[in-house]
Amino acid sequence: IQLTQSPSFLSASVGDRVTITCRASQGISSYLAWYQQKPGKAPKLLIYAASTLQSGVPSRFSGSGSGTEFTLTISSLQPEDFATYYCQQLNSYPCSFGQGTKLEIK
Amino acid sequence: QLQLQESGPGLVKPSETLSLTCTVSGGSISSSSYYWGWIRQPPGKGLEWIGSIYYSGSTYYNPSLKSRVTISVDTSKNQFSLKLSSVTAADTAVYYCARVSVDTAMDYWGQGTLVTVSS
Repeated sequence: IQLTQSPSFLSASVGDRVTITCRASQGISSYLAWYQQKPGKAPKLLIYAASTLQSGVPSRFSGSGSGTEFTLTISSLQPEDFATYYCQQLNSYPCSFGQGTKLEIK
Repeated sequence: QLQLQESGPGLVKPSETLSLTCTVSGGSISSSSYYWGWIRQPPGKGLEWIGSIYYSGSTYYNPSLKSRVTISVDTSKNQFSLKLSSVTAADTAVYYCARVSVDTAMDYWGQGTLVTVSS
């Protein structure tokens, strides 16, 4: 199953609302997770089951979708949110990742 | 607090076998609620799932690497391991180990270890 994220690059300002989309090549129900990765660090789980916030993750992060189209929304960007975001499907093996979306400061 | 730590050589010669171990502390690798996985990330590129293993020894591999990958588990040491044979420069990457919850996703990760393939 291929995952395609859009956009690949996103430039935004502190306080902006941003949305990242992840499209699956076939239906994956709600078996989708979102990760945040900062340079030199391991990815951090943000959202699982498409819309469930991982413990400790700020509520400005939210996820939605099912089937083949999913979104990650950050309601009000904070300085620490500038990072690369990946989606991952866990519906079937191999559990593939999207190519990533790099969120940069405008 | 669960912690995962990768260990192994940082430099491997072409055509040889890359071997890494992930040591799990603060929790049991034998829990029925989790799988344990390996993921890699070439410099400047995205994430690639390599494979996963259950404490019973059941394994799942990425078809693109399956012919070269072996993942094993040692419950007595609370460790799981990765072997990747016949490596080339294309296998140069940061290798991560992670816990895979059957209900959620990859919720705990090691810090990652850079493995460079070079003569």
